[in-house]
Amino acid sequence: GNSVTQMEGPVTLSEEAFLTINCTYTATGYPSLFWYVQYPGEGLQLLLKATKADDKGSNKGFEATYRKETTSFHLEKGSVQVSDSAVYFCALYSSGAGSYQLTFGKGTKLSVIP
Amino acid sequence: NAGVMQNPRHLVRRRGQEARLRCSPMKGHSHVYWYRQLPEEGLKFMVYLQKENIIDESGMPKERFSAEFPKEGPSILRIQQVVRGDSAAYFCASSGGGSSYNEQFFGPGTRLTVL
Repeated sequence: GNSVTQMEGPVTLSEEAFLTINCTYTATGYPSLFWYVQYPGEGLQLLLKATKADDKGSNKGFEATYRKETTSFHLEKGSVQVSDSAVYFCALYSSGAGSYQLTFGKGTKLSVIP
Repeated sequence: NAGVMQNPRHLVRRRGQEARLRCSPMKGHSHVYWYRQLPEEGLKFMVYLQKENIIDESGMPKERFSAEFPKEGPSILRIQQVVRGDSAAYFCASSGGGSSYNEQFFGPGTRLTVL
């Protein structure tokens, strides 16, 4: 079956530090990959996505590249801000066998301190 | 353009009571998904519905849980005889559907607490 593994948190960084959150996956077929962000008390918002190998998704300074050879989709940002403090979820979608569900990792809590 | 709406946002029930969670999809969306988020965990798929049809319920517990998406009105996730282990955040998402992936937009969630 499909699965997503992302680095354990919590992660605490100082403002303007470089961020990497690792994500690897197992899936049948050719999945689409996503990063979602969840701010406290809110639902999930799509941050970025990539639908095929070597695609790079980017948004709000965040980037992630779909690496088929390493089955990875690591999230990076060059300079984090306090407002980036949230929980980040890596997810995949694979439409094999008629399933339309997203499969999520456990989430990585990021805290950015001034 | 209103997003996905869920109510109530917070729900407290005693063991043995029933919980009803409602989800109104985004305008124009006819596909609804329910996910459950246990504390310190990621979201787990429960069920996928289209109007008047359950398409995939592979993530639903076999007992006490049911879901519907009637022709008129919101989608309902119903939990009968709740137990403490049902305490979680329940998220609804909607999409425009189709044979290929369409982005799922998430609601703010309902946080269920079972006393």
